[in-house]
Amino acid sequence: GDSVTQTEGLVTVTEGLPVKLNCTYQTTYLTIAFFWYVQYLNEAPQVLLKSSTDNKRTEHQGFHATLHKSSSSFHLQKSSAQLSDSALYYCALHNNNAPRFGAGTKLSVKP
Amino acid sequence: NSKVIQTPRYLVKGQGQKAKMRCIPEKGHPVVFWYQQNKNNEFKFLINFQNQEVLQQIDMTEKRFSAECPSNSPCSLEIQSSEAGDSALYLCASSLSGTGSDYTFGSGTRLLVI
Repeated sequence: GDSVTQTEGLVTVTEGLPVKLNCTYQTTYLTIAFFWYVQYLNEAPQVLLKSSTDNKRTEHQGFHATLHKSSSSFHLQKSSAQLSDSALYYCALHNNNAPRFGAGTKLSVKP
Repeated sequence: NSKVIQTPRYLVKGQGQKAKMRCIPEKGHPVVFWYQQNKNNEFKFLINFQNQEVLQQIDMTEKRFSAECPSNSPCSLEIQSSEAGDSALYLCASSLSGTGSDYTFGSGTRLLVI
């Protein structure tokens, strides 16, 4: 079945430095969409960005991700982390079944 | 503010008690999902509906959990006999199709079973 892997449970970065959150996946579906969700403390998860186009960069709120079907990856990056970026980040795969979420990565941005 | 409304925000039950939570999906969204977010922040899919019909559900849901989405009423998820391991955040999400960017989560019901 489908699976989404986020290898880091916790990523700690200093404010102003770049950050990368990894996401890889396995699926047998051809038509798929990928999402990054962000969940701030005590809030509902919300869509950060999405993509279904191979090798096309998607950007939102300073974050960017590129779907690479050749490597089954959809890593999330930001060139300069902000304190307000501290949150839980989930990579998710949407196809004709219920969306499959990764285990989540907690991003902690330190001053 | 989320367009998906979940009540109650917090729920405390003793072991063996029933625990019921509700979800009003975003207007016009026929597909509703329930997830359990555990203490490790992992999402576990429980069940989803399209209108009043169950699309998919996991074994856990089949045995102790019951859920429904009646027409013109909130969707509900009920645990028949709560266990300590059921303590978690229960998230409801709705969507037009379940595959698009209109996937919207509610703020969740945090269940504590003591």
